[in-house]
Amino acid sequence: DVKVTQSSRYLVKRTGEKVFLECVQDMDHENMFWYRQDPGLGLRLIYFSYDVKMKEKGDIPEGYSVSREKKERFSLILESASTNQTSMYLCASSLGAGRADSYEQYFGPGTRLTVT
Amino acid sequence: EDKVVQSPLSLVVHEGDTVTLNCSYEVTNFRSLLWYKQEKKAPTFLFMLTSSGIEKKSGRLSSILDKKELFSILNITATQTGDSAIYLCAGRGTYKYIFGTGTRLKVLA
Repeated sequence: DVKVTQSSRYLVKRTGEKVFLECVQDMDHENMFWYRQDPGLGLRLIYFSYDVKMKEKGDIPEGYSVSREKKERFSLILESASTNQTSMYLCASSLGAGRADSYEQYFGPGTRLTVT
Repeated sequence: EDKVVQSPLSLVVHEGDTVTLNCSYEVTNFRSLLWYKQEKKAPTFLFMLTSSGIEKKSGRLSSILDKKELFSILNITATQTGDSAIYLCAGRGTYKYIFGTGTRLKVLA
């Protein structure tokens, strides 16, 4: 079974703090994604990566950065946390191109971040 | 701009009812349409549809895609309380997945 793990289930941080959210997958997937999920807005893509050291902006990258130094690990960084970044953060991974089932995304359990 | 719209936003039914959830999409370089079920935690995969008119089925759940009308439906027959969840659909482009806001389904005993 594919496993995607996230470093914390719940996190409380203060405004202005630097926040690191880590995601690790154990299935050698090429693609990794960070989303935030807010009521009424669904899942919105923050950043994704299709290879080590590669990153692409999603729909709402402002205030976030990412790092992918190893294939299995994709980190989301909030440089200076703000209250409007309070949300549920979901990491996902998928295989790359070339396989019929390669586009199913597997999600981690989520990190509920509260910024006070 | 890419978008995925789901309807209804929420639905309350009784056990045994049949429900149909709708998903319309406009996704650049469309590749596939995916359905997920989300209970209290991470979304879990239900179906991936790439071809029009071919129904995918898993137990009481089935789904079909219409690439001409840019539309998909998810049917659940003989609903059970365990089907209560948020159902998400997502359109996949070249790399990105565009999610709808979901349909919240509540099944009453």
